[in-house]
Amino acid sequence: EVQLVESGGGLVQPGGSLRLSCAASGFTFSSYWMSWVRQAPGKGLEWVANIKQDGSEKYYVDSVKGRFTISRDNAKNSLYLQMNSLRAEDTAVYYCARDRVGGLEGADYWGQGTLVTVSS
Amino acid sequence: DIQMTQSPSTLSASVGDRVTITCRASQSISSWLAWYQQKPGKAPKLLIYKASSLESGVPSRFSGSGSGTEFTLTISSLQPDDFATYYCQQPGGTFGQGTKVEIK
Repeated sequence: EVQLVESGGGLVQPGGSLRLSCAASGFTFSSYWMSWVRQAPGKGLEWVANIKQDGSEKYYVDSVKGRFTISRDNAKNSLYLQMNSLRAEDTAVYYCARDRVGGLEGADYWGQGTLVTVSS
Repeated sequence: DIQMTQSPSTLSASVGDRVTITCRASQSISSWLAWYQQKPGKAPKLLIYKASSLESGVPSRFSGSGSGTEFTLTISSLQPDDFATYYCQQPGGTFGQGTKVEIK
């Protein structure tokens, strides 16, 4: 059974940092593009970043470029999102998601999400 | 960046109704479009990929069509479990703003 379990969310002050983790199981992690998607309270979905199977390609939404870094450790079946210089508008539930084969067909498995709150 | 625009934002319908949601891309994305369903407090669920391919396990009353810049999601006969919010996405990029399907 495919499982994605996020962790690392919490309350952080503006300007602070947080590292999210996503533990994957039930599939060959190294064979899939992976993504982070977020959802601010009461708002729609926003794609944040994705990463190729071997980590050689990474893409970000403009609003997080230079502040967030996506990475993965295929030996540990884990995906990460390092978030620096956090702002109030980064407050959201952050989902880890597995992209369908090829990375251009949508995300077929999602974690339960982890809440990040940026507030003083 | 490619923008995705969904319409309508809210749709009121009854069980058994045929429902259509439209998604427009600001430039051609060929058939690289996905549709998701999301219920409150839950992660999104993939319904359709590559504009018209039904994800495994998704009921056949859901269908997708379109290419280029205009796409549609159709629910042929709305069921009680279908009241939710639906999003289109250019995979690896922008989501539409969502369409909430409410009980009429």
